[in-house]
Amino acid sequence: QVQLVESGGGVVQPGRSLRLSCAASGFTFTTYGVHWVRQAPGKGLEWVAAISPDGTNIYYADSVKGRFTISRDNSKSTLFLHMNSLRAEDTAVYYCAKPRTAGTSFDSWGRGTLVAVSS
Amino acid sequence: EIVMTQSPATLSVSPGERATLSCRASQSVSSSLAWYQQKPGQAPRLLIYGASTRATGIPARFSGSGSGTEFTLTISSLQSEDFAVYFCQQYGNWPPWTFGQGTKVEIK
Repeated sequence: QVQLVESGGGVVQPGRSLRLSCAASGFTFTTYGVHWVRQAPGKGLEWVAAISPDGTNIYYADSVKGRFTISRDNSKSTLFLHMNSLRAEDTAVYYCAKPRTAGTSFDSWGRGTLVAVSS
Repeated sequence: EIVMTQSPATLSVSPGERATLSCRASQSVSSSLAWYQQKPGQAPRLLIYGASTRATGIPARFSGSGSGTEFTLTISSLQSEDFAVYFCQQYGNWPPWTFGQGTKVEIK
C-alpha cells in the first residue's frame, strides 16, 4: 500500500532554514506529481507546493514563493521541501500528499512533520 | 485564486441523525471538488472526489453532490466515528489548490 513518511521537522529560530523529506513507497513514484500541504495549529489546510513527476513543473503558494524550494529524487523515491527565511507563521504540521491522478484530489497523505518557528 | 467557503463552522448532530455540510466556490470549479475527513492528530482522509464519487473504502452513508459553485456533503446516519472535521478542496483551477476552512461535526 502507499506510504508517505515525512521527516526533518523541529524547532527553528525565525530567519533560519530547514529541510523536510518525504519517503514514498507502494506506488510508482516516478509517474506522480507530489505535493506539500501544511496545517497551522488548530487551523485549516493550506497547499504549499507541488512538483511534477519529472521535476520540470513546479508550483508554489504565494505565501512561500521565493523562500521555499520543492525538489525530488526519483532514484530514491523521496520528496523534499527546502525552507529558508522561516517565519512564525510557517509554524505548522507539514504533510506530503499524493494526488489520485494528475492535478486532482489527494488520495494518500503522510502523517506529517511539525515545524515550529520560534525564538 | 478560488476561495472555498464552508458552512456551518460547527454542526451539532446526534448519533443516527443526518448531517449536511455545505461548500461554496468563489467561481465555478465544475465537478472538481473533493471532501476530506480529519480526526485529531491524524492526516486528512479522502472521502469524495469529482464532487460525488466515493473514494476507496468509504461507506455508502457518505454522499456528495453539486457542481459549479455549490456543493454538499451528506452523512446519512452519523456514527460515532464520523465526528470529525471535514474540509472541501477544489482542483478545477490550479495552482493554487485551495481548501475550505473546515466544518467540525460534533456530538449534540
